[in-house]
Amino acid sequence: GAGVSQTPSNKVTEKGKYVELRCDPISGHTALYWYRQSLGQGPEFLIYFQGTGAADDSGLPNDRFFAVRPEGSVSTLKIQRTERGDSAVYLCASSSDRAGTQYFGPGTRLLVL
Amino acid sequence: AQKVTQAQTEISVVEKEDVTLDCVYETRDTTYYLFWYKQPPSGELVFLIRRNSFDEQNEISGRYSWNFQKSTSSFNFTITASQVVDSAVYFCALELFKTSYDKVIFGPGTSLSVIP
Repeated sequence: GAGVSQTPSNKVTEKGKYVELRCDPISGHTALYWYRQSLGQGPEFLIYFQGTGAADDSGLPNDRFFAVRPEGSVSTLKIQRTERGDSAVYLCASSSDRAGTQYFGPGTRLLVL
Repeated sequence: AQKVTQAQTEISVVEKEDVTLDCVYETRDTTYYLFWYKQPPSGELVFLIRRNSFDEQNEISGRYSWNFQKSTSSFNFTITASQVVDSAVYFCALELFKTSYDKVIFGPGTSLSVIP
């Protein structure tokens, strides 16, 4: 079956701009997670959704970062006033429930110039 | 504090050698999961194994084996008879979940190069 998909695969933007990154989880998966991976490091947790609600957003670095999942399926990670330090790979994962194994998408490579 | 340590930043082995990747974790939680993921050059994280904190049985899957020792908070991963296709970054991870949160904490990764 189809895995987790993320669009776009690459995004180049200028400092100060707004970006949206999209995640399509595996069909039927109720739990969805966003991570950020900087070069040479492991993924860092950002936010976790159970259904439509953000159950844990403790990993969001500041209020420029926001994520939604309005219908409990697709999620969008939104970054306002991007900074060069936001450049990273943004990974999305989904699991069948909060105790299930997380399966990852290919990531969106964000470059802020 | 919760943390995952992978002390080996980079390892190089010659094809067909065995290699062990070390993972040490820290948590005060009694219920947790441990994972290994593989990240090949293409970038996608590939799930390899999940163990829960109550199951210390070692596991073997083909050329892969895992040694979970709660007494030393370690979850080491061994590849037997390594192959070039095993070249990748390997991440050990710890999942903690309670009523109010569910997160996976990744280690920094070990980059494995298998030389033909």
